[in-house]
Amino acid sequence: DQQVKQNSPSLSVQEGRISILNCDYTNSMFDYFLWYKKYPAEGPTFLISISSIKDKNEDGRFTVFLNKSAKHLSLHIVPSQPGDSAVYFCAAASGGSNYKLTFGKGTLLTVNP
Amino acid sequence: GAVVSQHPSRVICKSGTSVKIECRSLDFQATTMFWYRQFPKQSLMLMATSNEGSKATYEQGVEKDKFLINHASLTLSTLTVTSAHPEDSSFYICSATMDRNTEAFFGQGTRLTVV
Repeated sequence: DQQVKQNSPSLSVQEGRISILNCDYTNSMFDYFLWYKKYPAEGPTFLISISSIKDKNEDGRFTVFLNKSAKHLSLHIVPSQPGDSAVYFCAAASGGSNYKLTFGKGTLLTVNP
Repeated sequence: GAVVSQHPSRVICKSGTSVKIECRSLDFQATTMFWYRQFPKQSLMLMATSNEGSKATYEQGVEKDKFLINHASLTLSTLTVTSAHPEDSSFYICSATMDRNTEAFFGQGTRLTVV
């Protein structure tokens, strides 16, 4: 039973445009959400997080939106750059921190020059 | 950010042998380390949580006698895959955190192939 779902295995966007990566969750106990970026043969690196008390968190080109009623979050990257091409994992945790994460399957983002 | 080093990055072993994977926090003391496994096109699945000096807590369905975890110090945790079989072939990755309220940092991962 997948508690964190990333329904799009891949996404392709043009450089300079917006990339929107989506994530849905089913466990209402989750109260902390994170996005990780992963290059091949490397471990995931933390990008941005959001607590359930917020609906938006922004860090440079990256913005995460959380819709608790829909149990949905999204990561917006704007403008997208070729170096953003990677697999993006959505992860969720309960207890207000990133302790013991549940991951989605990831979405491969390709940003074309 | 903090650095977590995982070794080896790749290992090929024969069926029936055991393989040890190390996870080290290089510039902080990790009270808790996590071990994940990822099959192709699947998500990272948490296998176990280990706290320094105590027994690891395994997730449901993970055989503790097969996947031995030792967290003997605040900077080192090891995962030993005992009597490895081809179905154990996977990408294993660790993460480490100082405490519940700080970010967990990931190692580079280990690609295990059992032949």
